[in-house]
Amino acid sequence: DQQVKQNSPSLSVQEGRISILNCDYTNSMFDYFLWYKKYPAEGPTFLISISSIKDKNEDGRFTVFLNKSAKHLSLHIVPSQPGDSAVYFCAASATFQGAQKLVFGQGTRLTINP
Amino acid sequence: KAGVTQTPRYLIKTRGQQVTLSCSPISGHRSVSWYQQTPGQGLQFLFEYFSETQRNKGNFPGRFSGRQFSNSRSEMNVSTLELGDSALYLCASSSTGDSEKLFFGSGTQLSVL
Repeated sequence: DQQVKQNSPSLSVQEGRISILNCDYTNSMFDYFLWYKKYPAEGPTFLISISSIKDKNEDGRFTVFLNKSAKHLSLHIVPSQPGDSAVYFCAASATFQGAQKLVFGQGTRLTINP
Repeated sequence: KAGVTQTPRYLIKTRGQQVTLSCSPISGHRSVSWYQQTPGQGLQFLFEYFSETQRNKGNFPGRFSGRQFSNSRSEMNVSTLELGDSALYLCASSSTGDSEKLFFGSGTQLSVL
């Protein structure tokens, strides 16, 4: 049962344009959402997060939007740069029995074309 | 400050064997989590250790086990390896287990033949 889903395995965007990565979740217990970025041969690195009490969080070129009623979040990258080419993982967090549990999506491979 | 270190970087085993992977967290971090990454499945949570105690566990069979030592270093063991265990195994550390502040190692790529 995939509680966090990234339905697009890959996305190709032209340099300078907007990249939009999407993520859906099913469990309403999730109260914190994160995006991680992963380059080949490296571990994922934290990119940006959002609490369930907010609907938008911005950090430079990266903005995350949360639609709780639709159980959907998205990551916008504007403008897209070649260095943004990586695999992006969406993750959702909830506290179960006093321990925080993080559930990841399958990942979306973003390619920025010059 | 050194990052999360995972050894070995690559491993090739045959079916039925067992394997032990090692993870050294960032100095001062007491929480270590393990994840399995396979194409199409993303990162699947295996377990989390905090101060030598398993605090959280994912939905993996009992062939997957782990432990944490007093210096916070952690090992993960997989017994009776199956072809489907081929994956990248990632270790992440944090000071408290706070999901935002997870720092990942580069992983151990396990191939089961």
